[in-house]
Amino acid sequence: EVQLVESGGGLVQPGGSLRLSCAASGFTFSSYWMNWVRQAPGKGLEWVANINRDGSEKYSVDSVKGRFTISRDNDKNSLYLQMNSLRAEDTAVYYCARDHGYCTSSNCYDLLDYWGQGTLVTVSS
Amino acid sequence: AIQMTQSPSSLSASIGDRVTITCRASQDIRNDLGWYQQKPGKAPNLLIYAASSLQSGVPSRFSGSGSGTDFTLTISSLQPGDFATYYCLQDYNYPRTFGQGTKLEIK
Repeated sequence: EVQLVESGGGLVQPGGSLRLSCAASGFTFSSYWMNWVRQAPGKGLEWVANINRDGSEKYSVDSVKGRFTISRDNDKNSLYLQMNSLRAEDTAVYYCARDHGYCTSSNCYDLLDYWGQGTLVTVSS
Repeated sequence: AIQMTQSPSSLSASIGDRVTITCRASQDIRNDLGWYQQKPGKAPNLLIYAASSLQSGVPSRFSGSGSGTDFTLTISSLQPGDFATYYCLQDYNYPRTFGQGTKLEIK
């Protein structure tokens, strides 16, 4: 059974740092791209970042560039999000999600097919 | 960044109704679009990928269509478990962007 379990959330002051982890099991972790998606309280979903299978390729939304770093450890089946210089607007539930890339002869698609239960990050003084 | 605009933002419907949710992209995204369902306090669940392909295990009352800039998610006959919030997500380029969501409520 595929499982993704996030941890590391909590209350942090503005300007502080936090490291989120996502422990993966039930599949070959090193074979999949992985994503972080967040949801501010009462708001919609926002894609944050993703990383390729070996960690050599990373993408992120502009609002976190230079502050958040996505990484992975395939030996530990774990995904990470290092969050620095946190702001009140970073307050959200953070989900990790597996990307089951699906390719046809003409195109490739992202399928965020498994998600963790989320971990809440609150940035407040 | 590509903007994804969903309509309506909220919708009231009854069991058995047919409902359609629309997602419009600010530029051509081919068919690089997925639909996700989210229930309160839960993680999202993938329904449709590549605009019209049904994810394994998802009931056939869900269907998707469209390409280019205009996409639709249709639920052919609403069931009690379908009352949730629905999001589109473009995977044409980075950053990936979600629509703002459509909350489907019981009439």
